[in-house]
Amino acid sequence: QQQVKQSPQSLIVQKGGISIINCAYENTAFDYFPWYQQFPGKGPALLIAIRPDVSEKKEGRFTISFNKSAKQFSLHIMDSQPGDSATYFCAASKDNRLAFGKGNQVVVIP
Amino acid sequence: NAGVMQNPRHLVRRRGQEARLRCSPMKGHSHVYWYRQLPEEGLKFMVYLQKENIIDESGMPKERFSAEFPKEGPSILRIQQVVRGDSAAYFCASSHGQSSGNTIYFGEGSWLTVV
Repeated sequence: QQQVKQSPQSLIVQKGGISIINCAYENTAFDYFPWYQQFPGKGPALLIAIRPDVSEKKEGRFTISFNKSAKQFSLHIMDSQPGDSATYFCAASKDNRLAFGKGNQVVVIP
Repeated sequence: NAGVMQNPRHLVRRRGQEARLRCSPMKGHSHVYWYRQLPEEGLKFMVYLQKENIIDESGMPKERFSAEFPKEGPSILRIQQVVRGDSAAYFCASSHGQSSGNTIYFGEGSWLTVV
């Protein structure tokens, strides 16, 4: 049973464009929602995270939008760069147990 | 300035052998987690440990898998009598505290291949 569902599965974006990845969760007990970035052969690295009492959080080119009533949250990557090409995982946490989405492969083409 | 350290990075085992994966958490962190990642999949929670205690092992298979985090030394994930289906990347993570919102840092992973 997938607790966190992520879409789309893959995304191709032109350099300078906006990448948008969506996630939905079921369990309303989740209280922390991080996004991780993973390059091939590497471990996931925390990108940005949000708590459900906040509707939006921005850090540099990365923004999380959170809709508590719809149980959905999304990652926006502004001004996408080739170096952003990676797999992005959303996650939902309760007491530090992370439930991950299946990942989204983002490819930024020059 | 060391992060979460895992070794070995790559491990090849024949079916029926044992695999031992080691993890040293970030300095100052006493909470350790193990996750498994199958190809084209997200990470799946396996086990959560503190020093000398297993806090939650709900994600760990009941048989052949065990984990420990002794008072001294790294955390160990042990897989006995490996089968081909155990081939995966195993990630260790650590955090400073238990409450949600504590940043969880991941290691670079240990890639297990069972032949």
